[in-house]
Amino acid sequence: NAGVTQTPKFRVLKTGQSMTLLCAQDMNHEYMYWYRQDPGMGLRLIHYSVGEGTTAKGEVPDGYNVSRLKKQNFLLGLESAAPSQTSVYFCASSYLFRRLQGFFNNHQPQHFGDGTRLSIL
Amino acid sequence: DAKTTQPTSMDCAEGRAANLPCNHSTISGNEYVYWYRQIHSQGPQYIIHGLKNNETNEMASLIITEDRKSSTLILPHATLRDTAVYYCIVRGEYGNKLVFGAGTILRVKS
Repeated sequence: NAGVTQTPKFRVLKTGQSMTLLCAQDMNHEYMYWYRQDPGMGLRLIHYSVGEGTTAKGEVPDGYNVSRLKKQNFLLGLESAAPSQTSVYFCASSYLFRRLQGFFNNHQPQHFGDGTRLSIL
Repeated sequence: DAKTTQPTSMDCAEGRAANLPCNHSTISGNEYVYWYRQIHSQGPQYIIHGLKNNETNEMASLIITEDRKSSTLILPHATLRDTAVYYCIVRGEYGNKLVFGAGTILRVKS
């Protein structure tokens, strides 16, 4: 009953280094998302994916790249880390829609991981 | 997606009902109201969502006014573990993106 699993949980990088954050879900969800959360603020969407092989930009995509080669995994990459990218990163997933009472309902809740705390010095 | 307005913080006594208000006066006809919460250092947790009818599940009740310009999340018997930031979010019918505001800090006190 893992749900959404994020690795690593913590990481410290130096400016200019690169790294990849991994998100894995075992619920067969079509949608996956990457958010960042800065102190005292709500979450902001970085990138999202509506299915295997497809990605789209969110609210704050600059400095990040993503890939969804397998349905269950969504990777977030930082090519050249900057101190402004110090944040807590959350991954989420959801169904595209579910059949409820004979109707397709596209309002499906997002399920979140416990976050990756990333510090860039 | 419509914007929401929530109080910055609220206190509630343990065992009492916690009523968290949310104003969404610019909501349009096909937009849903969602509630999530975030307990310290954890990822957000889905609570409930609704369109125009009142909704109830095992966690909470959602009361939406008839004009849909505001709603209230009710935790019927708050416990210390309900201390968290509660986010009210309005989401359109298409697309599945959530826009998080600052939320309400709910402190449940013994």
